[in-house]
Amino acid sequence: DTAVSQTPKYLVTQMGNDKSIKCEQNLGHDTMYWYKQDSKKFLKIMFSYNNKELIINETVPNRFSPKSPDKAHLNLHINSLELGDSAVYFCASSPPGIGNTIYFGEGSWLTVV
Amino acid sequence: GEDVEQSLFLSVREGDSSVINCTYTDSSSTYLYWYKQEPGAGLQLLTYIFSNMDMKQDQRLTVLLNKKDKHLSLRIADTQTGDSAIYFCAATGGGNKLTFGTGTQLKVEL
Repeated sequence: DTAVSQTPKYLVTQMGNDKSIKCEQNLGHDTMYWYKQDSKKFLKIMFSYNNKELIINETVPNRFSPKSPDKAHLNLHINSLELGDSAVYFCASSPPGIGNTIYFGEGSWLTVV
Repeated sequence: GEDVEQSLFLSVREGDSSVINCTYTDSSSTYLYWYKQEPGAGLQLLTYIFSNMDMKQDQRLTVLLNKKDKHLSLRIADTQTGDSAIYFCAATGGGNKLTFGTGTQLKVEL
């Protein structure tokens, strides 16, 4: 029933590891996003995909690689995790067009130790 | 690019009105949003306003937009303890990219 769902919700991992966060939306939206919320609660967009194509990439290190196998899924893979990657990662989706409401997932809390 | 600013903290007494303010820099922003984030939870869309409106009311929530000053506010009437959360203002820019403010931590005291 959840519109935008992310897994896992919590992830604790060691520096240097590679991990993935999965996201799925069942709203039929064309556009999906990844946002990062740091320890100070600042929220910033990382990526945006429209119909599986990358349209926004906000100067994110290339250790972060989004993958969209179809328009209902946008997974985030992170290589060689660093301490500074610890954050909450939010997946989101929206219908096409400017200004359409963006719906967020519940967030994935990543802690790198 | 767009810059969205909010004050970091607001404390009110239960039953009073809360007013959370936000300023943005990009005058071409077409939609402006308010999101709520409770501790340990995701982002919940509260309300939004289109840039050609100056006010929108939705139950206890009133959004005021001063497009000339690029100032947005969210008023919560009869604030309750359950309203304690972080409130984010956000503006829509190019590519439907949402730029968020820094968030305002609202604390409701008895």
